[in-house]
Amino acid sequence: RKEVEQDPGPFNVPEGATVAFNCTYSNSASQSFFWYRQDCRKEPKLLMSVYSSGNEDGRFTAQLNRASQYISLLIRDSKLSDSATYLCVVPTNAGGTSYGKLTFGQGTILTVHP
Amino acid sequence: NAGVMQNPRHLVRRRGQEARLRCSPMKGHSHVYWYRQLPEEGLKFMVYLQKENIIDESGMPKERFSAEFPKEGPSILRIQQVVRGDSAAYFCASSPPDINGELFFGEGSRLTVL
Repeated sequence: RKEVEQDPGPFNVPEGATVAFNCTYSNSASQSFFWYRQDCRKEPKLLMSVYSSGNEDGRFTAQLNRASQYISLLIRDSKLSDSATYLCVVPTNAGGTSYGKLTFGQGTILTVHP
Repeated sequence: NAGVMQNPRHLVRRRGQEARLRCSPMKGHSHVYWYRQLPEEGLKFMVYLQKENIIDESGMPKERFSAEFPKEGPSILRIQQVVRGDSAAYFCASSPPDINGELFFGEGSRLTVL
């Protein structure tokens, strides 16, 4: 099993749609998780952190299922500006984030069209 | 601009030449990381440095690659005798000591080896 594995995508959805991405991780000791967003040919930027069962920020909801070792990202009311690659990220040093050694998933490409 | 600064943004080298990539962390950040993103792949951790110290270089290829973060000046990722497989985007990120999982990435340096 890969350390971090994501839906391959790509996802093509109309504006206003709800879309969900899943991510599985292999290290059961991982305590924190992150979703980063990367626009085409740009740097990754932190979108959300997930430390407990979930986190919500506006149209974005991240959920964590420790038993099944997966994290999901839900985007409601999709906007054109949501088009990007979404990266599931898990700290490589299990148990904490004592430093920034992160394992990135390959990413899921989302395209929102008019 | 107080963000992570990388240069050059684009670098073209012929096989066998050397590539030097520079990174200045965000103001107040003392931790620097280098990640590599190969075409169609996710970001991979390469090395973690603090001033004058390499803390974790477990992701660095064994040969031709080196990194430093001197007391004065930017961090440098050096690739000697480049090969076509080195063509990638190299991202530098920085963080404060009390990292919470958020890395601040530079815009990346895109290396093309002819």
